[in-house]
Amino acid sequence: EIVLTQSPATLSLSPGERATLSCRASQSVSSYLAWYQQKPGQAPRLLIYDASNRATGIPARFSGSGSGTDFTLTISSLEPEDFAVYYCQQRGTFGPGTKVDIK
Amino acid sequence: QVQLQESGPGLVKPSETLSLTCTVSGGSISSYYWSWIRQPAGKGLEWIGRIYTSGSTNYNPSLKSRVTMSVDTSKNQFSLKLSSVTAADTAVYYCARDLTVSRFFPLLWGQGTTVTVSS
Repeated sequence: EIVLTQSPATLSLSPGERATLSCRASQSVSSYLAWYQQKPGQAPRLLIYDASNRATGIPARFSGSGSGTDFTLTISSLEPEDFAVYYCQQRGTFGPGTKVDIK
Repeated sequence: QVQLQESGPGLVKPSETLSLTCTVSGGSISSYYWSWIRQPAGKGLEWIGRIYTSGSTNYNPSLKSRVTMSVDTSKNQFSLKLSSVTAADTAVYYCARDLTVSRFFPLLWGQGTTVTVSS
């Protein structure tokens, strides 16, 4: 069973700053990894699939990279609506999440 | 556009069976995988399992002994049964549809329904 580890647990940043979130898999998953955003009281939203493909309607400031065991979600310039929890996912496994909050 | 809506009891007694249904509107249930995912309050996401429209299922190994999923294509619905529930099964339960049949990435989600296990 694959285990996903996310770091950091919390990221405190200001609007306009760049956010870099990490997801590490316990074994290679090739590029089969997705990223989700979840805001309080809402269902998660698919941002990135296959490690680097943006889902329909996702702004270009969101980008994903990586393959094998190490993956990164980058938000190039944080907008106020981007402060949320972000999860990575590989098939039936979700990471524990990274909370991006306002500094 | 396709929408998903969970329904079922919000309160279940310990040791009983939790039963939820997800109704798909705005599109056909055919040719996709449909998942159940849950989230205890203040915690992360846990995938419970998924079902294809043929009835083929995949379950989370940690829950497999207690989970049964079914699909009713005539009603555009799929369902979850979780037996022998305890307080640890208290969570928001989401139904979701994968991106495509070959891409196990839940794209469309219901709004979620809160299930509390308590006597």
